[in-house]
Amino acid sequence: GEDVEQSLFLSVREGDSSVINCTYTDSSSTYLYWYKQEPGAGLQLLTYIFSNMDMKQDQRLTVLLNKKDKHLSLRIADTQTGDSAIYFCAESHSGGSYIPTFGRGTSLIVHP
Amino acid sequence: DSGVTQTPKHLITATGQRVTLRCSPRSGDLSVYWYQQSLDQGLQFLIQYYNGEERAKGNILERFSAQQFPDLHSELNLSSLELGDSALYFCASSVERGPDGYTFGSGTRLTVV
Repeated sequence: GEDVEQSLFLSVREGDSSVINCTYTDSSSTYLYWYKQEPGAGLQLLTYIFSNMDMKQDQRLTVLLNKKDKHLSLRIADTQTGDSAIYFCAESHSGGSYIPTFGRGTSLIVHP
Repeated sequence: DSGVTQTPKHLITATGQRVTLRCSPRSGDLSVYWYQQSLDQGLQFLIQYYNGEERAKGNILERFSAQQFPDLHSELNLSSLELGDSALYFCASSVERGPDGYTFGSGTRLTVV
């Protein structure tokens, strides 16, 4: 199986909360990331969390980490149409020279 | 503008040809990473250079090679191109091992016909 897995699609209504989930396999993961990719653009780092944390909040974004289950989630509050994009989960660890391994991305579609 | 510059933005070439993709990292970043993004493989790490030296290798084919020059820009050379090499090629740069992650360029879309 893949090292980092995500569901491929998520559709939400504008104003609702979005929750994008990710699972990873490497228990030595040190950093876990969420990136956003808009059409025609590169990946943009949204936020990251150290593996010794279980939550991080940054404005409308909340990251939850369940290290026991190797599960990471990104919650976007009050989702807007401008949040429509592909969201990538990634992990890095010292054994991999801290080079991020990415999931395949979740395509978030926000409809009015 | 992320600060990472990739050229060209689009490239169309025939099978069997060779192309060179160029990347200029963000000012102050010594590490450059190349990734390939395709529908079937997702985002795959190819290779990393740090201050001119190869630091890590991922799923890079033998037909592909890269280098980083003294001014820190990097080039990815793809030869004997096949249809399956059609993909988006991203360059990213970083402060070495920083938790801030990577700054990505906007990519080069390669189409092999």
